[in-house]
Amino acid sequence: ETGVTQTPRHLVMGMTNKKSLKCEQHLGHNAMYWYKQSAKKPLELMFVYSLEERVENNSVPSRFSPECPNSSHLFLHLHTLQPEDSALYLCASSQGLAGGPETQYFGPGTRLLVL
Amino acid sequence: GQNIDQPTEMTATEGAIVQINCTYQTSGFNGLFWYQQHAGEAPTFLSYNVLDGLEEKGRFSSFLSRSKGYSYLLLKELQMKDSASYLCAVMDSNYQLIWGAGTKLIIKP
Repeated sequence: ETGVTQTPRHLVMGMTNKKSLKCEQHLGHNAMYWYKQSAKKPLELMFVYSLEERVENNSVPSRFSPECPNSSHLFLHLHTLQPEDSALYLCASSQGLAGGPETQYFGPGTRLLVL
Repeated sequence: GQNIDQPTEMTATEGAIVQINCTYQTSGFNGLFWYQQHAGEAPTFLSYNVLDGLEEKGRFSSFLSRSKGYSYLLLKELQMKDSASYLCAVMDSNYQLIWGAGTKLIIKP
């Protein structure tokens, strides 16, 4: 596999469920990102990891919990979500440490629907 | 506050030229990116401008004027496959990307 992959591509969950989104990058990059994309809205940065350490958390509700076990993998653990959390969740990676003008490369996203 | 403005939707004809504008107000500037996103797919990198002027890359060109807080993406010889959303993003003084809401481009035969 090449590039940035995400699983699952689609997810439907109830508000009491617990699920996890997975992202894997095959580019040898050192920084990884989680974004939320809602219809007709700008991408919202949720979390940034650089060399497996969280460097940015843009006031995201605690029902979203990220995990970065190594520089190639990133998870987003979900629990007790709300219907307004329904969106496309995009993972991205960049070559250098977050903190420079690096181009970000995106995965195809997970389309999440919370019922 | 920080703000990126771009038109919500544009329509153009196959074979024609279209210009998608982006204006920005950010705290600092470390470059401007354009991405293309087909429906249900990943955003893909198109261009990066950090100096004023025009950058040409095949059928796509991107222009930047830092003094005016303005950029445009120019698409020539439009093809049906160019139907997509085009996202403008500015890297601010903290190297964080500030995104526009995207411009949906519809190409008609």
